[in-house]
Amino acid sequence: GAGVSQSPRYKVAKRGQDVALRCDPISGHVSLFWYQQALGQGPEFLTYFQNEAQLDKSGLPSDRFFAERPEGSVSTLKIQRTQQEDSAVYLCASSLGTGGGYTFGSGTRLTVV
Amino acid sequence: GIQVEQSPPDLILQEGANSTLRCNFSDSVNNLQWFHQNPWGQLINLFYIPSGTKQNGRLSATTVATERYSLLYISSSQTTDSGVYFCAVGGGGNKLTFGTGTQLKVEL
Repeated sequence: GAGVSQSPRYKVAKRGQDVALRCDPISGHVSLFWYQQALGQGPEFLTYFQNEAQLDKSGLPSDRFFAERPEGSVSTLKIQRTQQEDSAVYLCASSLGTGGGYTFGSGTRLTVV
Repeated sequence: GIQVEQSPPDLILQEGANSTLRCNFSDSVNNLQWFHQNPWGQLINLFYIPSGTKQNGRLSATTVATERYSLLYISSSQTTDSGVYFCAVGGGGNKLTFGTGTQLKVEL
């Protein structure tokens, strides 16, 4: 597609519920990144894929967070047993290779109540 | 990890004014990008500039990697330039570390 598409745009989850956030990167982009942005702060790195391989997951805050990109295109970020501190905007970005500029999606705003 | 500091934290300009935003980083980098986050939250890539100078319309950027800083210049500012400007750097891995941003408001 023309840009990075994320869905849903907004998600309200009850504490303890599992959620799945989807990212559809720009066609042909090898690299895909997930970031978490808390209110009033800059985005923070969660995880990185090169094609289908998850090469860096050092930013995932706990084992409740899991990401996959099984066919090297669409990616899903899953959060199990959501907690209030998971409330944030989750941003996906893609880039053509390992260098170069990133294109970000519009994000998913997750609110855990 | 790499530390990224941006200044000023807040900036108010009259339309038509020029401004310079600064990004200092604590270690050598091989990736540096400037982004604009508009009031609706969309992050727009302005420049990929690990070194050197680039220009795009009213915007230009310079990175002096040996001295660990980058500058973003905005000329003839417009109200649509309002939002948060982020500098983000990468030092060898694939992740970017973002600064805390400069909040810009351009007034008529």
